[in-house]
Amino acid sequence: QVQLQESGPGLVKPSETLSLTCTVSGYSISSGYYWGWIRQPPGKGLEWIGSIYHSGGTYYNPSLKSRVTISVDTSKNQFSLKLNSVTAADTAVFYCARVGPWYFDYWGQGTLVTVSS
Amino acid sequence: QSALTQPASVSGSPGQSITISCTGTSSDVGGYNYVSWYRQYPGKAPKLMIHDVSNRPSGVSNRFSGSKSGNTASLTISGLQAEDEADYYCSSYTSSSTLIFGGGTKLAVL
Repeated sequence: QVQLQESGPGLVKPSETLSLTCTVSGYSISSGYYWGWIRQPPGKGLEWIGSIYHSGGTYYNPSLKSRVTISVDTSKNQFSLKLNSVTAADTAVFYCARVGPWYFDYWGQGTLVTVSS
Repeated sequence: QSALTQPASVSGSPGQSITISCTGTSSDVGGYNYVSWYRQYPGKAPKLMIHDVSNRPSGVSNRFSGSKSGNTASLTISGLQAEDEADYYCSSYTSSSTLIFGGGTKLAVL
């Protein structure tokens, strides 16, 4: 069974870079599919951040594109998110998911990242 | 890109049927059969309920069905049960090769 697990700091200072990693088990990233990140501010809706193909091709939300980098490490069966120049508005639960390629069929449990000094 | 439009809330009684709408444009919902629906319980990750407008993943109850007409997709839940009370989100592929969510709908089972 495909499982995903987010990891990374739960607290990031304003103007710094948020970095998260998603570790995939039960499926080899190099076998295919897109892999994506979604966020959800407290009490609000879901927002797609971006997706990456196993070979490295990426697609980003235009509203975040200037600040986002998604990368993949097939040797570790992981993919990562970097969001730079964060503000309090970036505080959210961040989910990683397998993207099939236009729907999210497996999700991580989510990790709360708070932006605060 | 603007979020797809969903009603903020819907409600129904046990045993009834309810429908949640998801309105977009010809550049997303209306242009592709790539609409999906997710159920989310408080504090939990979303779960895929419908993909490609009307396809149910294995293990999802046949009480859940999806459809689309023009720029509006719909999720129908029949035989409403207390466990259906949750937030529901639609999502669509777009002409910009991006993905977009709706604002979410809170379903109350009265």
